Amino acid sequence: GDSVTQMEGPVTLSEEAFLTINCTYTATGYPSLFWYVQYPGEGLQLLLKATKADDKGSNKGFEATYRKETTSFHLEKGSVQVSDSAVYFCAHRSNNNAGNMLTFGGGTRLMVKP
Amino acid sequence: GAVVSQHPSRVICKSGTSVKIECRSLDFQATTMFWYRQFPKQSLMLMATSNEGSKATYEQGVEKDKFLINHASLTLSTLTVTSAHPEDSSFYICSARVRASGSNEQFFGPGTRLTVL
Repeated sequence: GDSVTQMEGPVTLSEEAFLTINCTYTATGYPSLFWYVQYPGEGLQLLLKATKADDKGSNKGFEATYRKETTSFHLEKGSVQVSDSAVYFCAHRSNNNAGNMLTFGGGTRLMVKP
Repeated sequence: GAVVSQHPSRVICKSGTSVKIECRSLDFQATTMFWYRQFPKQSLMLMATSNEGSKATYEQGVEKDKFLINHASLTLSTLTVTSAHPEDSSFYICSARVRASGSNEQFFGPGTRLTVL
């Protein structure tokens, strides 16, 4: 069945370090891919998305490229800030799913130290 | 942006009691709301999908008589955990889909942490 696997955390980095959070998926067809972020005490927010192969989603300095050949959607940021500390969720949605169901990875907690 | 609230943010109850969790879309109408459950260090698992004015559609393995969902208006859905037991302790998150032509984006609430003693 459909699934999303992302690296376990916590990931602890110093400010201005490079970030990569790996995400791979299994799905039938060509799903849309998402990264959500959850800041402490808040709901999930859409960070970025990509809807077809080779698309690059970007927002707030974060980027992820839809790699169909490796079924991956790794999240990257060149220079993290303390304010980026949060839990990041990778997710996909099958485009033939009229119910709009999202399948989530387990989440990766990022902690950025000053 | 679209805001979804949940109430309460956390609740502690005794085994055997029922707990109601509210999910509201504050500045938009939501034709569809989703309820998720999240165990510690695990994925969000979809429990059910509710459409305003109709019965909820439950995912396989989710007991509809235990997790009662009511979507009475375009801005409110409720999840009632009936006769709660310690294994029902979890983080419950709702999301709402904007009522707009062609829009598929879901907006998430902050979650409700339920602890059953």
